[in-house]
Amino acid sequence: QQQVKQSPQSLIVQKGGISIINCAYENTAFDYFPWYQQFPGKGPALLIAIRPDVSEKKEGRFTISFNKSAKQFSLHIMDSQPGDSATYFCAAESNYQLIWGAGTKLIIKP
Amino acid sequence: EAGVAQSPRYKIIEKRQSVAFWCNPISGHATLYWYQQILGQGPKLLIQFQNNGVVDDSQLPKDRFSAERLKGVDSTLKIQPAKLEDSAVYLCASRTANTGELFFGEGSRLTVL
Repeated sequence: QQQVKQSPQSLIVQKGGISIINCAYENTAFDYFPWYQQFPGKGPALLIAIRPDVSEKKEGRFTISFNKSAKQFSLHIMDSQPGDSATYFCAAESNYQLIWGAGTKLIIKP
Repeated sequence: EAGVAQSPRYKIIEKRQSVAFWCNPISGHATLYWYQQILGQGPKLLIQFQNNGVVDDSQLPKDRFSAERLKGVDSTLKIQPAKLEDSAVYLCASRTANTGELFFGEGSRLTVL
């Protein structure tokens, strides 16, 4: 019940396209859903986060869509750029515990 | 504002040897985490400190791993004796409270031969 399932494991998108990464959870007590971006040789960095009282949050080209009834949330990257090539992790938090997805390696082809 | 500092960045040791990693969190951050990240996987929490007290160490292999955070500031993670499967990047992270953005260091890459 504490798992966060992330898909796909890897994703290749053409420059200018839309990248979509999905996550699903079981624990309805989760109350904070961040997405982290990690470049090779670096630690993860917060990209965008959402709380369950809203269904969507947008920051620039990055959007989180949140479906509370389906217990799913997704990251959309609009107009994907080669610089977006990285590994993306979703996570979910409850009672100060942060549970991580397995990650998605995103490659943007020029 | 200075970020989370970790050292060493890289360490290569033989199995059964010991190793220690150091982390200095962002000033004022009460909560500190050590994560283990094996290549191609997500971060796995080893231990969480709130000031100098342990909040969660349920996934720390206590027969070989130990961690301390004296004076509630910097922290050390020790592995003794190391096993081949300990080869990973050890990430330190901190945040101001128990929720919100986590700030990560660049990690310490351990190779056990």
